[in-house]
Amino acid sequence: SYELTQPPSVSVSPGQTARITCSGDALPKQYAHWYQQKPGQAPVMVIYKDTERPSGIPERFSGSSSGTTVTLTISGVQAEDEADYYCQSVDTSGSYPHVLFGGGTKLTVL
Amino acid sequence: EVQLVQSGTEVKKPGESLKMSCKGFGYSFTSHWIGWVRQMPGKGLEWMGIIYPGDSETRYSPSFQGQVIISADKSISTAYLQWSNLKASDTAIYYCARFAGGTTVVSNWFDPWGQGTLVTVSS
Repeated sequence: SYELTQPPSVSVSPGQTARITCSGDALPKQYAHWYQQKPGQAPVMVIYKDTERPSGIPERFSGSSSGTTVTLTISGVQAEDEADYYCQSVDTSGSYPHVLFGGGTKLTVL
Repeated sequence: EVQLVQSGTEVKKPGESLKMSCKGFGYSFTSHWIGWVRQMPGKGLEWMGIIYPGDSETRYSPSFQGQVIISADKSISTAYLQWSNLKASDTAIYYCARFAGGTTVVSNWFDPWGQGTLVTVSS
C-alpha cells in the first residue's frame, strides 16, 4: 500500500494564492480528489478527478497534477477559505481497492 | 437534491453495542457505493469501508476489518455502521458519504457527505 502526503499547514494573506500539495507514488495512475472541512462541519468536495470543479464551488478553486504530486490551488484567497483540506485517492495495489486520505493541511488566512 | 442524513449523537459506555444509520435521499440508493469515514477528535479523516447497497458487497479498510460491521437495507435507502463492543478509543465523529463516480471504485470520490454522528464512549 502507499500513502498520500500533505504539508500540515499553509499560510497566506487574503488575495494571495494558496497551493496545497498531495504526494503519492500511485498518483500518476490514479485520480485524486480534494475536500474542504471547516470547523464543526462535514467535509465538502471541492475538486474531483484531479482537475474537475463541481458546480457551486467558486472558480478560485482549481486542481492540477504532475507526476506523483497533485496540487489544489486557491487563487485570490478569502477569509472564508480558512479550513482543513484533504486529498483522497484509491490504492489498487492490494487484493481490492482501498480508499486513502492524506493527513490534511490546515490553511490559515493571515 | 442528493442528501445523506445520519442518526443522532450517541453516548455509550465501554462494552456496549451501537448501530448508527445513514439514509439517502434524492438519488438511486442502490446504484452508488456508500462509504464510512472516522474522524477522531482533532484528527484527520480515516476510511473505514464501503458498501454497495444494490447487492451489499462490502469492503473494509484493514484497520477496521473485524472491528465494525457495515450493512445496508436497500428497501429503506439506509446504510448502517455497527459495533458490538465499544471502546473509549471509538470516540469520534463518523461520517457517511456517497462514493460517487462509478461502480468500479478506483476513480471514485465522496460526495455528498452526511452531517456526521458524534459518538462518545466513556465510563
